[in-house]
Amino acid sequence: RKEVEQDPGPFNVPEGATVAFNCTYSNSASQSFFWYRQDCRKEPKLLMSVYSSGNEDGRFTAQLNRASQYISLLIRDSKLSDSATYLCVVTGGTYKYIFGTGTRLKVLA
Amino acid sequence: DVKVTQSSRYLVKRTGEKVFLECVQDMDHENMFWYRQDPGLGLRLIYFSYDVKMKEKGDIPEGYSVSREKKERFSLILESASTNQTSMYLCASSLRREKLFFGSGTQLSVL
Repeated sequence: RKEVEQDPGPFNVPEGATVAFNCTYSNSASQSFFWYRQDCRKEPKLLMSVYSSGNEDGRFTAQLNRASQYISLLIRDSKLSDSATYLCVVTGGTYKYIFGTGTRLKVLA
Repeated sequence: DVKVTQSSRYLVKRTGEKVFLECVQDMDHENMFWYRQDPGLGLRLIYFSYDVKMKEKGDIPEGYSVSREKKERFSLILESASTNQTSMYLCASSLRREKLFFGSGTQLSVL
């Protein structure tokens, strides 16, 4: 089993739709969780950190479920500019960040 | 504005050449990382460093070495480049286990 798993997609959604991605992780001792956004041939950029109580940043909501060992990202009112690959990142052992392979999102006009 | 700078955006080298990829961060971060990213495989950790002159092997260190002589600079060295090292190389830095900041990446082609 991979340490961090994501559905690769692509998720094709119309503009204005709500879309949700999940990411499961295997190490119950993981402490920090992040969602990154990566555009084609560019570097990953932090979208948001994920906190135990859940957190929101505009149209984006992230949640953590420690019992079931997954994190989620909800995007409301999708924009064309949201089209990208979304990477789930989990901290493992000391200094280690473990990346999912990413979920591709395409927002269609 | 925080910054991680990689020396080259695109690089073309020949098989057997020694290749140096440089990364500089201006955030006084103690942790620095080198990843490679290949389609379908995601980001894979090559080496990381948690302090000056300290280094640890990641998941795929074979064929690579690193150098960290100063806190802000972390270099990746391909001792003898091979075609299977053609990839996107990403440098990143972080403070403790906080968010990672990435450089803009180096697309290396080994011919």
